[in-house]
Amino acid sequence: QVQLVQSGAEVKEPGASVKVSCKASGYTFTSYTIHWVRQAPGQRLEWMGWINAANGDTYYSQKFQGRVTITRDTSASTAYMEVSSLRSEDTAVYYCARGDSNNWQSAFGYWGQGALVTVSS
Amino acid sequence: DIQMTQSPSSLSASVGDRVTITCRASQSISSYLNWFQQKPGKAPNLLIYAASSLQSGVPSRFSGSGSGTDFTLTISSLQPEDFATYYCQQSYSTLITFGQGTRLEIK
Repeated sequence: QVQLVQSGAEVKEPGASVKVSCKASGYTFTSYTIHWVRQAPGQRLEWMGWINAANGDTYYSQKFQGRVTITRDTSASTAYMEVSSLRSEDTAVYYCARGDSNNWQSAFGYWGQGALVTVSS
Repeated sequence: DIQMTQSPSSLSASVGDRVTITCRASQSISSYLNWFQQKPGKAPNLLIYAASSLQSGVPSRFSGSGSGTDFTLTISSLQPEDFATYYCQQSYSTLITFGQGTRLEIK
């Protein structure tokens, strides 16, 4: 069965970086896009960007352009999302989600369990 | 950016009730509209994709309709496990956006 397993919770100081992983199993990793979505406490879901797992192409929300980097390691069937220059407003649960095809517009049929990132001094 | 606005923001209903949640896009998004259910502390779960297609494994009491700018999610007969927060999401624009959510509570 399809599974996306994310890395664990992190506590970071302002200005630091964090890298969250998303290990996929149960399907051919390179056949689908991976998206990243975050949710601050009590807030709506916020889409951050996606990666084409086959060729590594990425696209980011303008809000995160330059501060977020999404990568993948096909040999490990794992996608990564790194946020730099963290600030308190980045405190959120970060989710990876798999598109239902390699088309970025396809629906997010599978999600990771989420990784809580807390930014605090 | 395409703004997605859901109404109502919260709703109280009873088991067995028929419930409708609406989602309005700030511009036409054709049928690039998906609905998710989220329970506290859990990841969202896809219910409806492409405005009206039922995701595999989702009970048939859930249905979606609409195109262009106005969409609805209907739950025909509420079950205890349906009390959750519901989000619409558009993927028409390269900047994917979600609605603010509708919290469905037990009356």
